[in-house]
Amino acid sequence: EVQLVESGGGLVQPGGSLRLSCAASGFTFSDPYMDWVRQGPGKGLEWIARIRNKAHSFTTEYAASVKGRFTISRDDSKNSLYLQMNSLKTEDTAVYYCVRQLGGSGDGEFWGQGTLVTVSS
Amino acid sequence: DIQMTQSPSAMSASVGDRVTITCRASQGITNSLAWFQQKPGRVPKRLIYTASSLQSGVPSRFSGSASGTEFTLTISSLQPEDFATYSCLQYYSYPFTFGQGTRLEIK
Repeated sequence: EVQLVESGGGLVQPGGSLRLSCAASGFTFSDPYMDWVRQGPGKGLEWIARIRNKAHSFTTEYAASVKGRFTISRDDSKNSLYLQMNSLKTEDTAVYYCVRQLGGSGDGEFWGQGTLVTVSS
Repeated sequence: DIQMTQSPSAMSASVGDRVTITCRASQGITNSLAWFQQKPGRVPKRLIYTASSLQSGVPSRFSGSASGTEFTLTISSLQPEDFATYSCLQYYSYPFTFGQGTRLEIK
């Protein structure tokens, strides 16, 4: 059974940092690209980052809203995806979803349950 | 960036109604479009990918179509469990972008 389990969310002050983790199981984690998608309270979905696989040199893409502040990474030996979030702003408050290959064909795409990040003083 | 303009932003309908929701892309995205359904507090569920391919396990009353840069999600006969928020996603180019969502409510 495919599973993506996010962790690391919580309350952080503006300007602070947080690292989200996503533990994967039930599939060959090293194969697909991986994404982070977030959803602010009462807001729509926002794609924020992608990391490609080893065959594509683990290259990354970011949304402008997080570029320079957030870093996506993966450790294929630990079947884990990460999102390092620095210089957090109140507008980063959201549920953060780990997604296996957003836009993947067939059953290629899969979403985790999400973890809530609250940025507030 | 590619803008996805979704309409309407909200609508009300009755069980049994035929419903259409539209997303217009600001530039060509071939067929790199997906539709999602989301209920409050739940994970988004993909219904359609590549504009018209039905996700495994999704009822056949859901369908997607495309005409140029205009994409349509159709629910042929609304069921009680279909009242939710629907969003489109373009994954043709970075940054991937979602439509703002359509809240479908019971009339």
